[in-house]
Amino acid sequence: GIQVEQSPPDLILQEGANSTLRCNFSDSVNNLQWFHQNPWGQLINLFYIPSGTKQNGRLSATTVATERYSLLYISSSQTTDSGVYFCAVGTSRTGTASKLTFGTGTRLQVTL
Amino acid sequence: DAGVTQSPTHLIKTRGQHVTLRCSPISGHKSVSWYQQVLGQGPQFIFQYYEKEERGRGNFPDRFSARQFPNYSSELNVNALLLGDSALYLCASSRLAGGDTQYFGPGTRLTVL
Repeated sequence: GIQVEQSPPDLILQEGANSTLRCNFSDSVNNLQWFHQNPWGQLINLFYIPSGTKQNGRLSATTVATERYSLLYISSSQTTDSGVYFCAVGTSRTGTASKLTFGTGTRLQVTL
Repeated sequence: DAGVTQSPTHLIKTRGQHVTLRCSPISGHKSVSWYQQVLGQGPQFIFQYYEKEERGRGNFPDRFSARQFPNYSSELNVNALLLGDSALYLCASSRLAGGDTQYFGPGTRLTVL
């Protein structure tokens, strides 16, 4: 099956700093999403981005599908950005229409 | 509009028991998927249902089963619970069967003693 690797596994930032999270995947995809999981376990959808670039406030994401990677940028980080960030990819070629394969996540801690 | 809802929020069972988890998708969404997330790992795909038909199954034993009702809500059933079934069970809904944004519910935290 498709492999999804995220880096770095852990990240500690001071409030106000910028960061880049990376997601590499091993096959062509028709779905790529970035999620933020808060301390209560809720997965919050940040971006649906199988290709191209999107921005939403302090967050932006870029997926280069031909090179099989995606980047999530967090600018001017805040303590509320703390949590685990997951990249998840999907492909319908296996016949499983909406199966998402998740990476191992990046655990972000933003300190004052 | 309400998001994806799941019930119950928390559940404690003993080994060998059976459990039923419930999920209501976002209004207008016809696809429901179930995921299991054990502590420290990313969610793992269990099932997807679209228009009341099973569209995909992950690498889980036959003790796991699911169904989707005419109103697109869904149930996940787990028989003969094992300690290793302790996890956060997440439900996701989407409009389409594939290639579409999936929205996750708050999850059901299952503890098996």
